[in-house]
Amino acid sequence: TQLLEQSPQFLSIQEGENLTVYCNSSSVFSSLQWYRQEPGEGPVLLVTVVTGGEVKKLKRLTFQFGDARKDSSLHITAAQPGDTGLYLCAGVETSGSRLTFGEGTQLTVNP
Amino acid sequence: EAGVAQSPRYKIIEKRQSVAFWCNPISGHATLYWYQQILGQGPKLLIQFQNNGVVDDSQLPKDRFSAERLKGVDSTLKIQPAKLEDSAVYLCASSSNPRNSPLHFGNGTRLTVT
Repeated sequence: TQLLEQSPQFLSIQEGENLTVYCNSSSVFSSLQWYRQEPGEGPVLLVTVVTGGEVKKLKRLTFQFGDARKDSSLHITAAQPGDTGLYLCAGVETSGSRLTFGEGTQLTVNP
Repeated sequence: EAGVAQSPRYKIIEKRQSVAFWCNPISGHATLYWYQQILGQGPKLLIQFQNNGVVDDSQLPKDRFSAERLKGVDSTLKIQPAKLEDSAVYLCASSSNPRNSPLHFGNGTRLTVT
């Protein structure tokens, strides 16, 4: 099983601050997905990155896939309380179709 | 489109009892997954079905967990007998193509084993 390590595990910031969440592995993934999960709900897809070096923007969220397709980052600009949630990265293995999740980053944005 | 449906929403049982969870995926999605999510952790894959066949059950504790998807549509996950460490949220997800399409998750069943 290919492992994904996320950091930080917990992050508490004030509204308006910027933050970056990291997702790292020693393995290569064919694609990497970022999900956001709120309490009592299942994860919801934010973005999928496929190409090494790819950068995708979703409003105030910027996602980057590492050149070697082993790591990814999520940057949030001017965080808002509505951004609070558990952010999960998940990689599709190159050898099959299994989607492996990281342990998640619990983000709290205080007003 | 209707989302992934799961039931029950919550379940409390005593250790050594049995429990079953049900999942109805999005119509037309051939791939169905069961994940276990322990509080504070990311989801861990238990089993992946492609239609009614098992693609990956390498992380399923087969001495107590079983799952089926007999007609290639809805699925059940069973635990018999339950242990305290099985307390978790059990998430069902479906996908039209696991290699290039996202997973759509249900809201999960929260299991508490006392």
